Amino acid sequence: DSGVTQTPKHLITATGQRVTLRCSPRSGDLSVYWYQQSLDQGLQFLIQYYNGEERAKGNILERFSAQQFPDLHSELNLSSLELGDSALYFCASNRAGSTEAFFGQGTRLTVV
Amino acid sequence: AQSVTQLDSQVPVFEEAPVELRCNYSSSVSVYLFWYVQYPNQGLQLLLKYLSGSTLVKGINGFEAEFNKSQTSFHLRKPSVHISDTAEYFCAVSKISGGYNKLIFGAGTRLAVHP
Repeated sequence: DSGVTQTPKHLITATGQRVTLRCSPRSGDLSVYWYQQSLDQGLQFLIQYYNGEERAKGNILERFSAQQFPDLHSELNLSSLELGDSALYFCASNRAGSTEAFFGQGTRLTVV
Repeated sequence: AQSVTQLDSQVPVFEEAPVELRCNYSSSVSVYLFWYVQYPNQGLQLLLKYLSGSTLVKGINGFEAEFNKSQTSFHLRKPSVHISDTAEYFCAVSKISGGYNKLIFGAGTRLAVHP
């Protein structure tokens, strides 16, 4: 158990819908990262937050957004979903100054 | 920008045989290097990392990796694999900066250990 909790584990939704994925980082970790793992794109970095502020942005679509709340949990919002958004979405967290990121079990999103 | 190339998408091997999973990286700045393992239906778990110092790094489950700066490689090895090592392995880099940088992953290598 990495200490990073992601909910839900599985999500099935229709095209055009909006979903929210949730991540609770390890206790004491201020940084949260979101990654997307798909068959065609592999593991892609989406976005990073540190103590509530956006720190880095990767290949995140405009239809996607994220935020980190004062209690440090983070949410990834995916809207106007398309079939190609079907993927495993991972959250990771670490402390400032740490070189190791700890990953959650992921949320498997299926868009039908 | 950094990039990672894992030279083999799949590596089949018999149990108790040695294995090497190859990883090359490209970066204009110094980086940290990592190997992660993903078992079926699981998240990613850190196997080992290279930050500095000795170029031979030992990790969990009997794995080790060697950093070669001149060849920009970070190959993962295990002298004798077990069925339970069947998983997907990802090589990753992160820029050395403040300790909270994003990871850039390779495409992954699927290791299949056969009895």
